[in-house]
Amino acid sequence: KNEVEQSPQNLTAQEGEFITINCSYSVGISALHWLQQHPGGGIVSLFMLSSGKKKHGRLIATINIQEKHSSLHITASHPRDSAVYICAVTGNQFYFGTGTSLTVIP
Amino acid sequence: NAGVTQTPKFRVLKTGQSMTLLCAQDMNHEYMYWYRQDPGMGLRLIHYSVGEGTTAKGEVPDGYNVSRLKKQNFLLGLESAAPSQTSVYFCASGQGVVNQPQHFGDGTRLSIL
Repeated sequence: KNEVEQSPQNLTAQEGEFITINCSYSVGISALHWLQQHPGGGIVSLFMLSSGKKKHGRLIATINIQEKHSSLHITASHPRDSAVYICAVTGNQFYFGTGTSLTVIP
Repeated sequence: NAGVTQTPKFRVLKTGQSMTLLCAQDMNHEYMYWYRQDPGMGLRLIHYSVGEGTTAKGEVPDGYNVSRLKKQNFLLGLESAAPSQTSVYFCASGQGVVNQPQHFGDGTRLSIL
């Protein structure tokens, strides 16, 4: 049983499209994290949130604690956004989703 | 700022060989973690440390040992490598579990033949 489920697993978009990646979790949490992993590269933390909404440039993360659900939105997508996006939650430990692989085509 | 540095970046081992992966952080973080990442699976915690001189088992500790003799370093050892340990290994550090982000290294790609 996965404590964190992401959808979709794979996503291909045309440059400029609005993108949404979803994350659902089944455990009690203190915070939810969105991470970005580029091909062959390391992992970078994009957001940490425990309520509401956060925005950084073209990226927006929202969380609904009651529904145990979070979304990561990318506006005006660009090929450089191509990466794997990982949702993780912290309760008494970290739980990670399997990631959403995003490819943005020029 | 180097952040979290992992060495080596790549390594090929034969079954039964031993090796140590080194993780170093320069952010004065108390918590350090070792994860493995396998295709189709999320990051899985191998071992972690909540401070110098402490270690604890994570989700998949079998076949691995760790040491945290200095606050800035966290070593992951494979005493007798097995093909099932072929994976990408990530080290991370942070100030704590609750409401604190983790900072990741670039990963070590380990293949065991």
